[in-house]
Formats: sequence, C-alpha cells, structure tokens
Amino acid sequence: KNEVEQSPQNLTAQEGEFITINCSYSVGISALHWLQQHPGGGIVSLFMLSSGKKKHGRLIATINIQEKHSSLHITASHPRDSAVYICAAFYNTDKLIFGTGTRLQVFP
Amino acid sequence: DAGITQSPRHKVTETGTPVTLRCHQTENHRYMYWYRQDPGHGLRLIHYSYGVKDTDKGEVSDGYSVSRSKTEDFLLTLESATSSQTSVYFCAIAAPPAYEQYFGPGTRLTVT
Repeated sequence: KNEVEQSPQNLTAQEGEFITINCSYSVGISALHWLQQHPGGGIVSLFMLSSGKKKHGRLIATINIQEKHSSLHITASHPRDSAVYICAAFYNTDKLIFGTGTRLQVFP
Repeated sequence: DAGITQSPRHKVTETGTPVTLRCHQTENHRYMYWYRQDPGHGLRLIHYSYGVKDTDKGEVSDGYSVSRSKTEDFLLTLESATSSQTSVYFCAIAAPPAYEQYFGPGTRLTVT
C-alpha cells in the first residue's frame, strides 16, 4: 500500500528556532509535494521536488530518494509560520497520496 | 494565486437531499480534483478529471458523482447526502508536465 507518514504530528517552537518536519513514503514515487494550510483553511503549494533540495525564503525542502525521506526546514521561525504542513507523494504522475499533516505553533 | 473558486463556501443541508458543489478555474488546466478533508485523515481523493468528460474515481468515491462538461468547471454531486459526508471539500487543479496542484478555498458542508 502506498503511504505517506509525517512526524511529528504536533510541534511547538519559540520564535527564531530552526524547525524540521519529516516525511517518509513507500517506494516508487515520482515527486513529493509540500503544502501549507493556515487556520481558516486555505492550502498553498510550497514545493514540489523529485531530487535534491529547494529553497524559498526561509523554507528549505530536501528529499533523499534512497532513504525514501523528505524534510521541510524553516529557519528563523516566526509566529506567522504557524500552520499545518502537509506532505504528499505522487505515486502516479497525476494523483497524490497525502500525509495527515504536522501542526506547527510558533510562539513569540 | 491560481484562479480557482469554489461555490458555495458553506452549506448546511439535510440528510437525503441532493447537493452539488462547483469548482471553477480560469487557468485552463487539464486536471481537476475533488478531495475531502476530515480530522485524523489526510486529504482524500474523491474523483478527478483529466479532461472534458474524462473522469475517474478516487479512494473515497462511494456516494459521490462528478461531471466536467467544460474545461473550467468540475461539479461534485452528492445524490443523497448523509451525515458521514459532513466534511470540508477542496478542489484542486494541475497541469503537465509538473502536475503541481493548486487548491481552491474549500467548501464546508454540514449534513444534519
């Protein structure tokens, strides 16, 4: 069965801390998607990657194909980063399997 | 932001009534998806479309039907709503070659 697992489920941090959210998946994915969902519900695409690393502002996403693992890092975290972060894997090119999300709260 | 809208944004309906949710895009993307989001579950695919009149089932398709008569609109119908279909419904669009998905704002449906 194709699955996506995220850890931790919940994460709290103080402003300025370095954050890491982990995602593991089964074999055979073509790409991995990181998404952000703010309170209020909107879902925003952060990254899509199939190898290596991508960076956008304070966010960095990495993927290790051999270990079937991806990480999302947030540097210098800020309260506005508080959200649910969702990992999703493309097992077929056109369909995603989603993790259950990591709820991040960053306190000032 | 990708041009995706969903309507209605909120709906309360009674068990046994038909309900249709609409997803509208202005991006001319080929792929459109309907998901539901429930506590304790990740987003789960209900149905998706890979072109006009081309649709396929997802993992939780029972009790739902879809139609896509033009590129910009993808309709999700609950023929006879049940309380288990109380959920938040998201539409998404994507296009090759990347297939990166962009999500609509969601519809909160309550079936009483």
